[in-house]
Amino acid sequence: GENVEQHPSTLSVQEGDSAVIKCTYSDSASNYFPWYKQELGKGPQLIIDIRSNVGEKKDQRIAVTLNKTAKHFSLHITETQPEDSAVYFCAAWDSSGSARQLTFGSGTQLTVLP
Amino acid sequence: GAGVSQSPRYKVAKRGQDVALRCDPISGHVSLFWYQQALGQGPEFLTYFQNEAQLDKSGLPSDRFFAERPEGSVSTLKIQRTQQEDSAVYLCASSSPGTSYSNQPQHFGDGTRLSIL
Repeated sequence: GENVEQHPSTLSVQEGDSAVIKCTYSDSASNYFPWYKQELGKGPQLIIDIRSNVGEKKDQRIAVTLNKTAKHFSLHITETQPEDSAVYFCAAWDSSGSARQLTFGSGTQLTVLP
Repeated sequence: GAGVSQSPRYKVAKRGQDVALRCDPISGHVSLFWYQQALGQGPEFLTYFQNEAQLDKSGLPSDRFFAERPEGSVSTLKIQRTQQEDSAVYLCASSSPGTSYSNQPQHFGDGTRLSIL
């Protein structure tokens, strides 16, 4: 089955700096890669996603890049703000077979210091 | 409501009791997923429904776990004879069906925090 590894597990940045979180996946058939933000006591909230036919996607201060050859994808947050502080999860989805499930990374606790 | 609704938000049970967790998906979403999230970890897949059909239950950890969605809308996750290792947050997500090649985003509820004493 799919295995997703995420690094780093914790990340502290100064307000206004950029933050980068990296993930690798094992199943070359995976073709959809969402990123979720989870605040304390809340469910994961989708912030951006990318499909395997695209190399990069941006949405305001957030961008995601995908390297299918290397099987890794990254989340980039620019001009970080204190409200960006949360746990971020990457995930991978393989819909080529009968599987219908997302496999999540272990999460990155991002702290933005004011 | 506009989002996925889960109830109760918190559930405390004694070891050996049965519990039932409810999920109301986003209106019109035919796909529904259950995940288990241990403290400090990412969500782990339990089971998947398309309408009322349970198409994948490969993530259910034991036969004490049972899920149903009899009318293709509300779903219930039931855990029988609970054990301490069942303590976790149980998340429900729903999505539009999409095609086999193109996936639709999964939208999560805020979960039920289950504590087994």
